[in-house]
Amino acid sequence: DQQVKQNSPSLSVQEGRISILNCDYTNSMFDYFLWYKKYPAEGPTFLISISSIKDKNEDGRFTVFLNKSAKHLSLHIVPSQPGDSAVYFCAASEWYTGNQFYFGTGTSLTVIP
Amino acid sequence: GAGVSQSPSNKVTEKGKDVELRCDPISGHTALYWYRQRLGQGLEFLIYFQGNSAPDKSGLPSDRFSAERTGESVSTLTIQRTQQEDSAVYLCASIPARLPQDTQYFGPGTRLTVL
Repeated sequence: DQQVKQNSPSLSVQEGRISILNCDYTNSMFDYFLWYKKYPAEGPTFLISISSIKDKNEDGRFTVFLNKSAKHLSLHIVPSQPGDSAVYFCAASEWYTGNQFYFGTGTSLTVIP
Repeated sequence: GAGVSQSPSNKVTEKGKDVELRCDPISGHTALYWYRQRLGQGLEFLIYFQGNSAPDKSGLPSDRFSAERTGESVSTLTIQRTQQEDSAVYLCASIPARLPQDTQYFGPGTRLTVL
């Protein structure tokens, strides 16, 4: 049972435009959310996180939005750059009560120069 | 400093054979996770080690899978009597101390192919 879902397997965006990657979850107990970026043949690397007490977290070109009522989070990349082309995974956990991180299936982002 | 390393990077084995995958976490990291990523799927939690506490094995898919970790050092994931459905990339990740601001540092993974 997939508790974290990324329904778009791929996304193409022109360089300089905004990339929006979406993620939905089913477990209302999740209280910590992360985005990871993965290049081919490498392990995922942490990008940005947000706890459930916030609805937005920003780090440079990357902003994560959390809508708890909709059980939805999104990652915005502005402006998109060709080096952002990678697979993006969202992950969620019950940080204070559980050990597991639940990952989505990933969205492959291609930024077109 | 050195990141998380995993070996081998690729492993091809025949169905029914045992395999052992190794993970060297970042020095000083107390927590270690193993994940599996099958083709076209997300990362699937397998097992979690935290210091000297009993590991959380709730993600191991069958009793053919086992993992060990001595203290806060290297971990090995063993798959006995491999099956074709075990083919996946196996990733490990370590965390300094599982504080809220910490995140997982992933190794490059071991790609396992069971023929």
